[in-house]
Amino acid sequence: DAGITQSPRHKVTETGTPVTLRCHQTENHRYMYWYRQDPGHGLRLIHYSYGVKDTDKGEVSDGYSVSRSKTEDFLLTLESATSSQTSVYFCAISEFGGDIQYFGAGTRLSVL
Amino acid sequence: AQSVTQPDIHITVSEGASLELRCNYSYGATPYLFWYVQSPGQGLQLLLKYFSGDTLVQGIKGFEAEFKRSQSSFNLRKPSVHWSDAAEYFCAVVNSNSGYALNFGKGTSLLVTP
Repeated sequence: DAGITQSPRHKVTETGTPVTLRCHQTENHRYMYWYRQDPGHGLRLIHYSYGVKDTDKGEVSDGYSVSRSKTEDFLLTLESATSSQTSVYFCAISEFGGDIQYFGAGTRLSVL
Repeated sequence: AQSVTQPDIHITVSEGASLELRCNYSYGATPYLFWYVQSPGQGLQLLLKYFSGDTLVQGIKGFEAEFKRSQSSFNLRKPSVHWSDAAEYFCAVVNSNSGYALNFGKGTSLLVTP
């Protein structure tokens, strides 16, 4: 299995609070992605990174920001969590663009 | 942008029966296509991929998929389903306009009956 660790695995928070999810990889892969999974929608791209300090927005980026200060870590921040951000969040990595993506185990976030 | 459609939300098959899950893609050139499987509460596991070449690709767990350009399809098949195959299956295509992220179909939930 690819070395991908997501933390925390579960989180319950209140509306309006900031939340940071972490994705840590040990594969030295260049590309990292954050997706969210919601019933009836499959997985949708939030943000992605193609290198240290190189990030860009995805399909559903509103309300989210990301940072990548080291190759191995990709952080997803909800500046002020809303109930619509209740979801399961997956991190994925790939060695180069278009290559196989390997997924973490996911973080289940509930915003009350 | 590249996209995929999975027409079947739920499929029920009997254990031992054959399985075909449908996936249609939208892209002018040759797409990079994937099938992933997700068991309840788990992450996504790659079943197989198609980049180019042989249009019949073999994957793990006895699955195969056939790329058909004329039908814009990449259907997943298995000759004999096991109860452990019950899961959610996702077809995905690489989106070269978004950092090579994956555009996923909405998934097909497979139920296996005794």
